[in-house]
Amino acid sequence: NAGVTQTPKFQVLKTGQSMTLQCAQDMNHEYMSWYRQDPGMGLRLIHYSVGAGITDQGEVPNGYNVSRSTTEDFPLRLLSAAPSQTSVYFCASSKQDRGQYGYTFGSGTRLTVV
Amino acid sequence: GEDVEQSLFLSVREGDSSVINCTYTDSSSTYLYWYKQEPGAGLQLLTYIFSNMDMKQDQRLTVLLNKKDKHLSLRIADTQTGDSAIYFCAEDTGGFKTIFGAGTRLFVKA
Repeated sequence: NAGVTQTPKFQVLKTGQSMTLQCAQDMNHEYMSWYRQDPGMGLRLIHYSVGAGITDQGEVPNGYNVSRSTTEDFPLRLLSAAPSQTSVYFCASSKQDRGQYGYTFGSGTRLTVV
Repeated sequence: GEDVEQSLFLSVREGDSSVINCTYTDSSSTYLYWYKQEPGAGLQLLTYIFSNMDMKQDQRLTVLLNKKDKHLSLRIADTQTGDSAIYFCAEDTGGFKTIFGAGTRLFVKA
């Protein structure tokens, strides 16, 4: 069981470039989310999805786009990278009834925008 | 609004107990969680407590919940160097929403 797989692990972008962070899960989880982690600020929710074809904005959605065409995949697109988007990005998934199982997290993508 | 607060750093000696504290604001929370993040890795669920419980023990881990004060704590007995990590408190208010604290970095001195 692979769990939640994120690629790439590291990425350096120039300001204005676009890219897609990939996330895939093999646990048939309904919920998938993208978070960014910045020092001293914990995890902030960017976008989330409650099922295939359904997405919504989280706390910090500006500059990011998502889609969910399948249950397994939830890519995050940076439309025009900015230095403020330098961060560590985590994808997480869970059952709809999360309960005692909480979220399963990927290992993260460390993004630097120069 | 909803918020989860925890201190940023804690330093203990190997073999001592560690206590990491957290306060939350949403009284409708159903589950409260502790996640552990080791360097270069994602968060892993360490333990949880349901909102109608006061205490939960799991081997070296003890979770205490004070609903009146909206205070959650994680005690790690006989702390080892392998326990050095960032510990996140999180509250689940139902639906998709889980609110995470900023994380407490635990340093264990040999």
